[in-house]
Amino acid sequence: NAGVTQTPKFRVLKTGQSMTLLCAQDMNHEYMYWYRQDPGMGLRLIHYSVGEGTTAKGEVPDGYNVSRLKKQNFLLGLESAAPSQTSVYFCASSPTWTESGYTFGSGTRLTVV
Amino acid sequence: GENVEQHPSTLSVQEGDSAVIKCTYSDSASNYFPWYKQELGKRPQLIIDIRSNVGEKKDQRIAVTLNKTAKHFSLHITETQPEDSAVYFCAAVGGGADGLTFGKGTHLIIQP
Repeated sequence: NAGVTQTPKFRVLKTGQSMTLLCAQDMNHEYMYWYRQDPGMGLRLIHYSVGEGTTAKGEVPDGYNVSRLKKQNFLLGLESAAPSQTSVYFCASSPTWTESGYTFGSGTRLTVV
Repeated sequence: GENVEQHPSTLSVQEGDSAVIKCTYSDSASNYFPWYKQELGKRPQLIIDIRSNVGEKKDQRIAVTLNKTAKHFSLHITETQPEDSAVYFCAAVGGGADGLTFGKGTHLIIQP
């Protein structure tokens, strides 16, 4: 049972390049989230999904797009990377949004130069 | 949406002493309050949580208290040890479906 798996673990992009981060969970969770973590800022919600085929904006959605075509996968896309998007990205999933059961992936460290 | 404030941002204590980290939240509909520990380069790990119908919860050296009226909750670590050094985050689940809202974190340093 792998839990939440994020790929890739590390990536360096040039400004203007695009990429997709993949989050996969094998726990049949309905809810999935993408956070970014910057020093001194905690984890901030980028986008989230309450089920297959649904997405919604979080606190810091600008410059990112997401898709949830399959229940187990939640993709985060950067269409034109900017240095301000240099961060550590964490994906999480949960069975419901009200209680325990949040499971985090191991993170993706992205550097945009 | 929910807003979570966390203090202090850095806390240095002598090994064996107690540490207290405090958080406040804004959404009166929030009903779940977890605490996470994050070591350098690792993912956040849940260490303890509390639901809104409980005032206090304890797990060995770690305890959490919740005051719903004042909208604040605290993490208490007793008999601190070197392995307690890490960044600790409080979080709250508010009235919407957007899951966890995190505080900005507390860097806990245990001095030998």
